[in-house]
Amino acid sequence: GAGVSQSPSNKVTEKGKDVELRCDPISGHTALYWYRQSLGQGLEFLIYFQGNSAPDKSGLPSDRFSAERTGGSVSTLTIQRTQQEDSAVYLCASSLGVRDDNEQFFGPGTRLTVL
Amino acid sequence: GENVEQHPSTLSVQEGDSAVIKCTYSDSASNYFPWYKQELGKRPQLIIDIRSNVGEKKDQRIAVTLNKTAKHFSLHITETQPEDSAVYFCAAINSGGYQKVTFGTGTKLQVIP
Repeated sequence: GAGVSQSPSNKVTEKGKDVELRCDPISGHTALYWYRQSLGQGLEFLIYFQGNSAPDKSGLPSDRFSAERTGGSVSTLTIQRTQQEDSAVYLCASSLGVRDDNEQFFGPGTRLTVL
Repeated sequence: GENVEQHPSTLSVQEGDSAVIKCTYSDSASNYFPWYKQELGKRPQLIIDIRSNVGEKKDQRIAVTLNKTAKHFSLHITETQPEDSAVYFCAAINSGGYQKVTFGTGTKLQVIP
């Protein structure tokens, strides 16, 4: 079946512009995560959605970052007034989020370059 | 919240030798411990996982051990091959609490032919 998809695959923007990154999770997955991965670095947690619960935003690095998940499915990560240090690969992952099945399935990522 | 530490950050082994990556966690309620492999330029993928009701799990050349008392778990790769070269991430989660997965910082494994 279809996996997690993300768009765009690459995004080049100018400093100060806003960007929107999209994630389509696997159908039926209630848990959705956003991570940021800089070159050669680990997975930096950004935000976590679980069903209809309030999202865990504890990883968002600044108030320029926000995310929403509409209808419990598609999620959009928005970065306002982008800075060069925002350049990274943004990964989305989803999982069933049920008690005994928490395997995360990652999307291919969006490579963001801020000039 | 949960805190996962992973060591070493980099590891080089000769082809055919074994590799061991270790992780510790802080939340005693965590009960599910997956390992993900990320090859260069690709997305992380689950390679093996273990639940807190078992102490060891094997799948061909890879195995994971769990010590709940000490709150640490390890990934063992035997007879390493060049295609094992990748970054490996451990993680911990309290699957019953709908809490988020917490990842370790990753180990870059290089298998030298």
